[in-house]
Amino acid sequence: GDSVTQMEGPVTLSEEAFLTINCTYTATGYPSLFWYVQYPGEGLQLLLKATKADDKGSNKGFEATYRKETTSFHLEKGSVQVSDSAVYFCALSGWAGGTSYGKLTFGQGTILTVHP
Amino acid sequence: NAGVTQTPKFRVLKTGQSMTLLCAQDMNHEYMYWYRQDPGMGLRLIHYSVGEGTTAKGEVPDGYNVSRLKKQNFLLGLESAAPSQTSVYFCASSPGKGNQPQHFGDGTRLSIL
Repeated sequence: GDSVTQMEGPVTLSEEAFLTINCTYTATGYPSLFWYVQYPGEGLQLLLKATKADDKGSNKGFEATYRKETTSFHLEKGSVQVSDSAVYFCALSGWAGGTSYGKLTFGQGTILTVHP
Repeated sequence: NAGVTQTPKFRVLKTGQSMTLLCAQDMNHEYMYWYRQDPGMGLRLIHYSVGEGTTAKGEVPDGYNVSRLKKQNFLLGLESAAPSQTSVYFCASSPGKGNQPQHFGDGTRLSIL
């Protein structure tokens, strides 16, 4: 079945450092890929998405490129801020001929802490 | 601008007790989902619904039941709570018709003693 693997956390960075959170996936067909962010005490919010190979999703300075050849969707940000401290989840939604009903398969989450 | 609302936000139960978690969305979304979040395991799908009156099992359905009598509401029931069901539960909804992003509620933190 479908699966998502994220890099082990937690990740601790200083403000303005470069961020990479690795995400690789296993899926049949042509999944859509997502990054969600969860701030303390809140639900998940969509950060960015990509629906086909070579698409780049971007939002709030974060970027991720859908790489079908390496089955990856790594999250990057050039300069993190304290306010970026949160848990980040990589997820995929399989298509499977249209019967996936948008169900998401999540990675285990990566805790990011940014210090001033 | 409510989006997805979950009630209650916190609950403590004793083993064997029953309860129902309520999820309500005001976006007229077709699809709704219940997930549980456990440390180091991400979110796992319990049950989902693709329309009023329909439900289907997800990855970890055992011990839970759901109902979707109205399009805007999706109820998750625990008939006989067990300590293994201690978790944070999230409800989500999406418009349907393709892989549209899901919108999440703020979660219900449930402890079973």
